[in-house]
Formats: sequence, C-alpha cells, structure tokens
Amino acid sequence: QKEVEQDPGPLSVPEGAIVSLNCTYSNSAFQYFMWYRQYSRKGPELLMYTYSSGNKEDGRFTAQVDKSSKYISLFIRDSQPSDSATYLCAMNGAGGTSYGKLTFGQGTILTVHP
Amino acid sequence: DTAVSQTPKYLVTQMGNDKSIKCEQNLGHDTMYWYKQDSKKFLKIMFSYNNKELIINETVPNRFSPKSPDKAHLNLHINSLELGDSAVYFCASSQGGRPYNEQFFGPGTRLTVL
Repeated sequence: QKEVEQDPGPLSVPEGAIVSLNCTYSNSAFQYFMWYRQYSRKGPELLMYTYSSGNKEDGRFTAQVDKSSKYISLFIRDSQPSDSATYLCAMNGAGGTSYGKLTFGQGTILTVHP
Repeated sequence: DTAVSQTPKYLVTQMGNDKSIKCEQNLGHDTMYWYKQDSKKFLKIMFSYNNKELIINETVPNRFSPKSPDKAHLNLHINSLELGDSAVYFCASSQGGRPYNEQFFGPGTRLTVL
C-alpha cells in the first residue's frame, strides 16, 4: 500500500462546477501538506500548502487538512477550463525542513469543459 | 527567465546505451532533486543534493548516478538503459530552512528507451 493514495480519475466537470480532490495518507509524521498543479507536458508547480490541520483559502481554491482522519482535500470553486490539469497532493514530514523528501500522490487528471 | 532548466527535453535511445540529463537552476537554491514520473503520472523522488552533498538516495538501481558539480547544477547519468527506464525525469530545486518544502520543477526530460 502506498503512503499517499489519490484517485487518478480522470475527472470531467462542466465550467462553473465545484471540484473536490482528495488524498488519504498513512504516515502520521506528515506535517506539511501541499497541492501541486501540473499542466500537460510541464513540470508541477505549487498551488497551495497547509501546515497541520485546518483550512486555507486562496481565491477560488480551498485546501483542507484533517489529520485525525489522515485526509486532505482541495476544493476549486467556479472551475474554469484553464483549471484543466493534473493535481498532485504532496506531503512532507521530518519537521518540514527542505531536506525531507516530498511524498506525492498519484495525481488526479481534471478536465473542465466549457 | 528560466528558473529550472533541463537538457535535453526529449531523449530517444536504444536499450543498453548510456545517457546523461543535465539540470541547472538560477534561483540561488541550495537543494536540488531528481524525480521520475511514470506513465501513470506517479512522481517519485530518486535523489536529492544539498550544497553538493547527497542527502536523499532512494532505492534506485545503481545504473543511475547523480552528480552535482556545484549548487546550481545537478546531472543524472544512466548506464545500460532498460525499457523500464522510459519515463519523464524532472529536476527540482528548493531553498533549505524554509518551513515548507516548496520545490520548483523544471520542464522535464522525456526519455524513451527502444
């Protein structure tokens, strides 16, 4: 069993829909939780990060972490065709230093159609 | 202004050959990484260097040998290429000491072994 599980989809939604992307994990040492977005044929780029449990909002994006359930979510409101990409959750433990490795989920392929 | 660059972008080669991929970052970061992304989009860390010192060395065949001549460069040499080495290889960099591990990725090198 992988340390981080993420449904690969694909997920197809109409423009304007609310999108919910999720990951579960097994390692309770994870402290920092991130979402990366990867457009086709490009490298991943950091979208959001949260520390420990709680919510964080940035424009149309909301990240949620529930450490008790070992479950994280990314919500996208009013989704746009430009949101079409692969979304990867990533986690880091060991005090969150940059020397610790990031463990990624498999990524969910999202398509938002006009 | 390219932050993390990789060469070549595409690499097609025969089984048994030896090849190298180069990475350079101009962000002033002190930590660099190599990741492998398979056909299912699963992104897995291979190596990490901090200030030219190897700090993460995942279970990778010893046919793969990274080398960091300085903080801004990280190369990956692969000997005796096998079909299973076909993947996209991403270089990334980050700055040590940050509370979260934001990594900046290059555009990837798509390796195809025939």
